[in-house]
Amino acid sequence: KAGVTQTPRYLIKTRGQQVTLSCSPISGHRSVSWYQQTPGQGLQFLFEYFSETQRNKGNFPGRFSGRQFSNSRSEMNVSTLELGDSALYLCASSPGRRTTEAFFGQGTRLTVV
Amino acid sequence: GENVEQHPSTLSVQEGDSAVIKCTYSDSASNYFPWYKQELGKRPQLIIDIRSNVGEKKDQRIAVTLNKTAKHFSLHITETQPEDSAVYFCAASGGKLTFGQGTILTVHP
Repeated sequence: KAGVTQTPRYLIKTRGQQVTLSCSPISGHRSVSWYQQTPGQGLQFLFEYFSETQRNKGNFPGRFSGRQFSNSRSEMNVSTLELGDSALYLCASSPGRRTTEAFFGQGTRLTVV
Repeated sequence: GENVEQHPSTLSVQEGDSAVIKCTYSDSASNYFPWYKQELGKRPQLIIDIRSNVGEKKDQRIAVTLNKTAKHFSLHITETQPEDSAVYFCAASGGKLTFGQGTILTVHP
């Protein structure tokens, strides 16, 4: 069974631009969560989707948004990029409604210059 | 919301020694407690987890204990090896995972 796939792996963007990251969960998994990982802040929860609906949201500004498609693939979007958005963005997939046994993708390394 | 505190932030041991990492959580509704290992440049990997109806779980050299009354749980690694060197994260979940800040474990040969 294929693991969690995130694309792209690396991204360089300029301040003010927007970016879209993609996550394909493990086949059969319906829950996708997104996390931001930075050296100083650890793993910060962004949001969780289940059956195309956002179930939980972390404490991030409205510039961070996401969605989930009927095939469970998920995208997250960051608009008006700031230097502080530079981070590793990880998504995790889980089988069911509540986030248990979460399996992470390799992440997308976003650098904002 | 849930808050997870993890200690220590760095841990250095000699090969063969034991390593213990401790976490506390705030939300009594949390009922799932996984531990992840993240090697440099790689994704976090689930290494062991425990649910609130269990006090202890062991998998070869790794064990996790949970004290729901005190709201703390711990990871124990015995007979450490250099390949155990990584960042370890604890997490607590009552619906969404909240992670601790991580512990950098270094095992010296």
